[in-house]
Amino acid sequence: QSALTQPASVSGSPGQSITISCTGTSSDVGSYNLVSWYQQHPGKAPKLMIYEGSKRPSGVSNRFSGSKSGNTASLTISGLQAEDEADYYCCSYAGSSTFGWVFGGGTKLTVL
Amino acid sequence: EVQLVESGGGLVQPGGSLRLSCAASGFTVSSNYMSWVRQAPGKGLEWVSVIYSGGSTYYADSVKGRFTISRDNSKNTLYLQMNSLRAEDTAVYYCARADLSSSAFDIWGQGTMVTVSS
Repeated sequence: QSALTQPASVSGSPGQSITISCTGTSSDVGSYNLVSWYQQHPGKAPKLMIYEGSKRPSGVSNRFSGSKSGNTASLTISGLQAEDEADYYCCSYAGSSTFGWVFGGGTKLTVL
Repeated sequence: EVQLVESGGGLVQPGGSLRLSCAASGFTVSSNYMSWVRQAPGKGLEWVSVIYSGGSTYYADSVKGRFTISRDNSKNTLYLQMNSLRAEDTAVYYCARADLSSSAFDIWGQGTMVTVSS
């Protein structure tokens, strides 16, 4: 049950776009179209931002988008805003190996 | 309103036990996939356990044999019984609902802190 690999930190200026990568294996990210992304502000519970790799829940800004290629998923945030500064986690269902889920290590987004 | 409210966290000595509860409202626990996810201080999220709608249960290797997930359908409540606690189990424990089709955690509780220390 190894964690998915994310960069520890990314940064961008207001209005810019950033992309966070999430690399797994053929047993998790590569096997299922079940990657999700979560935003977490300090002291708060995580919030679902993207599910099934690229779908947005109701109420999530269309500045957030997701994609997947092979064993790597990506989250892109366009038109960066100050309130986007937070930790972001990817997650994949890994049913064939664990019947559970695996998270990425998290990426701290700093809006300069 | 759809929500999850955890309780039961606290300070416990190494080797001790604790039971966490997660009361759901606005939906039925037994009809959903319910999980526990934890976050050690300053660290990332770690999936801990799941109970599927059919009743099957699964655990992360780090807690297998020590933690037990269960639910009380009459109380619409999820539980996590934690035994043989270790310092490395210190974390905020969140309960979360996984959507049946996407497997994404779409509802989260506010979390309850568990500290294992002598």
